[in-house]
Amino acid sequence: QSALTQPASVSGSPGQSITISCTGTSSDVGIYNLVSWYQQHPGKAPKLMIFEVSKRPSGVSNRFSGSKSGNTASLTISGLQAEDEADYYCYSYAGSSPRGFGGGTKLTVL
Amino acid sequence: QVQLQESGPGLVKPSQTLSLTCTVSGGSISSGDYYWSWIRQPPGKGLEWIGYIYYSGSTYYNPSLKSRITISVHTSKKQFSLELSSVTAADTAVYYCARESSSSCYFDYWGQGTLVTVSS
Repeated sequence: QSALTQPASVSGSPGQSITISCTGTSSDVGIYNLVSWYQQHPGKAPKLMIFEVSKRPSGVSNRFSGSKSGNTASLTISGLQAEDEADYYCYSYAGSSPRGFGGGTKLTVL
Repeated sequence: QVQLQESGPGLVKPSQTLSLTCTVSGGSISSGDYYWSWIRQPPGKGLEWIGYIYYSGSTYYNPSLKSRITISVHTSKKQFSLELSSVTAADTAVYYCARESSSSCYFDYWGQGTLVTVSS
């Protein structure tokens, strides 16, 4: 199964920018541009924020952006707002290997 | 607007089979553009991909659960289902159904989730 590694927690103050990393391998993140990111507020279903590494679905704020370098994908949130406080998960296609989610990152807005 | 809704028992006894159904509205379950997936989240923990089914009936399961899982599709009812056998307390989780793009592998629509507790 895909084993994507995320930091357990990140924090930032309102207005600042933060970046959440998602480290995979040359068999998933490193070779496929099929990384997606999800935001999950407590008690709610996850919400798609980024797909295909850097594309935003309609309705998602342009404060959210995605990128990739080597085996690591990143989600950047600029102009942090209180409503951005949530858990964030990455997900990647892994070819013939089973796909999977990262362990999740808790974002705290100070 | 596509909507997905999980349904099924909220309490299952250990060693029994967990059965859930996801009903799709506002879109076609027979489209070749999507996989129909199950994902779960134990209380306080992260997301775990369970598996998916294609409209044709082909499936792909998480190897860690493969021996206990069956996912089926009922296109005429616009439903797909999950069966997980021989459950234990470790299977207690919120279970989500979701639609995954078959070409780009992202989940664009999710159900609200349903909590299934395994307890005697």
